Amino acid sequence: DGGITQSPKYLFRKEGQNVTLSCEQNLNHDAMYWYRQDPGQGLRLIYYSQIVNDFQKGDIAEGYSVSREKKESFPLTVTSAQKNPTAFYLCASSIWGLGNEQFFGPGTRLTVL
Amino acid sequence: DAKTTQPTSMDCAEGRAANLPCNHSTISGNEYVYWYRQIHSQGPQYIIHGLKNNETNEMASLIITEDRKSSTLILPHATLRDTAVYYCIVNSRGGSEKLVFGKGTKLTVNP
Repeated sequence: DGGITQSPKYLFRKEGQNVTLSCEQNLNHDAMYWYRQDPGQGLRLIYYSQIVNDFQKGDIAEGYSVSREKKESFPLTVTSAQKNPTAFYLCASSIWGLGNEQFFGPGTRLTVL
Repeated sequence: DAKTTQPTSMDCAEGRAANLPCNHSTISGNEYVYWYRQIHSQGPQYIIHGLKNNETNEMASLIITEDRKSSTLILPHATLRDTAVYYCIVNSRGGSEKLVFGKGTKLTVNP
């Protein structure tokens, strides 16, 4: 089955620790995205990448970092500089040129204690 | 900046059609209307999109007014599994676009 996987589904970390969220896709999509969702809110774009070894900041990139060393992988690191890291994190991918038709993973719910 | 306006919530009886409205009065000529939905605690799911003609697929129908200032997503026979937040998004097509998700409409399908 083709799709996007995010692991783990639930993640707990202590304040001040960096944490890396995994996102893998086997859809052969060029573009990948990371969003953050807070309770009762819509999604906000953190980072996106259109090709390997290239990525751009989204609307709320501060306190986050990403890498795109492989086409199928786009990990997100939540650093200790992110002031309110507790949230639902969603990864998505799309065919280049069809960025409005994104396929989403199941999400990771991060709780910082 | 929100380009769309949607009601906060709607209810629908199971088996009936669910009609979800969206206003996009500032839409420009090259912008499409996209619909996604998000079932609780899951990732959003793409439903359908259109430019000016009405569109239908296995999930839903999209009706766009002639002036393109509003549209309606129709779920012809709503089921309990259609309970979700529905997002209407306006965006130009091409490249890797940034989707802007507002708060959407929370649709509750009642038995």
